[in-house]
Amino acid sequence: NAGVTQTPKFQVLKTGQSMTLQCAQDMNHNSMYWYRQDPGMGLRLIYYSASEGTTDKGEVPNGYNVSRLNKREFSLRLESAAPSQTSVYFCASRYPGQWSSGANVLTFGAGSRLTVL
Amino acid sequence: DQQVKQNSPSLSVQEGRISILNCDYTNSMFDYFLWYKKYPAEGPTFLISISSIKDKNEDGRFTVFLNKSAKHLSLHIVPSQPGDSAVYFCAASVAAQKLVFGQGTRLTINP
Repeated sequence: NAGVTQTPKFQVLKTGQSMTLQCAQDMNHNSMYWYRQDPGMGLRLIYYSASEGTTDKGEVPNGYNVSRLNKREFSLRLESAAPSQTSVYFCASRYPGQWSSGANVLTFGAGSRLTVL
Repeated sequence: DQQVKQNSPSLSVQEGRISILNCDYTNSMFDYFLWYKKYPAEGPTFLISISSIKDKNEDGRFTVFLNKSAKHLSLHIVPSQPGDSAVYFCAASVAAQKLVFGQGTRLTINP
């Protein structure tokens, strides 16, 4: 039971290069999310997909695009990477509906560390 | 505009004592609050949550307290153990939509 799998785990880019972070979940979750974690800023939502076929902007969407390829997969694309996008990126998924202890909570992947030079 | 704030970047506690992590929020519409724990090189994992209709929720060594009038949330860990050393994030949500996270507090349990 893999949960949420992110690839790659590490990536170094030059300014202006493009890349796609891949995320896949095997828990049959409907909703998927991309967060970035920066020192002193916590986890900030970039984009999310409440269900297959829908995507919405989060707090910090500028410079990113997403694709909900199917129910399992949600990718994050940087079209022209900038040093400000150096961060650790986390993908997460959940069932929709009310939060409750132990159920319907966000399950995170292990993260993808991206450095833009 | 940080809607969820954890004002203590770090906390150091002796093993066996109580750890208290604090979180403040500004949006009175938040109706659910969660705490996540994160070890280095891993994703955050769910720890405990509380609905806005409650003021306390307990799960083993972990208790979350909610003070709605003060817009304040706290996590108590008793007794603290070395394995509790991690970064703790509080998070809040409106109507089961996306979670808004605080900046995190790094807890270190000293033997």
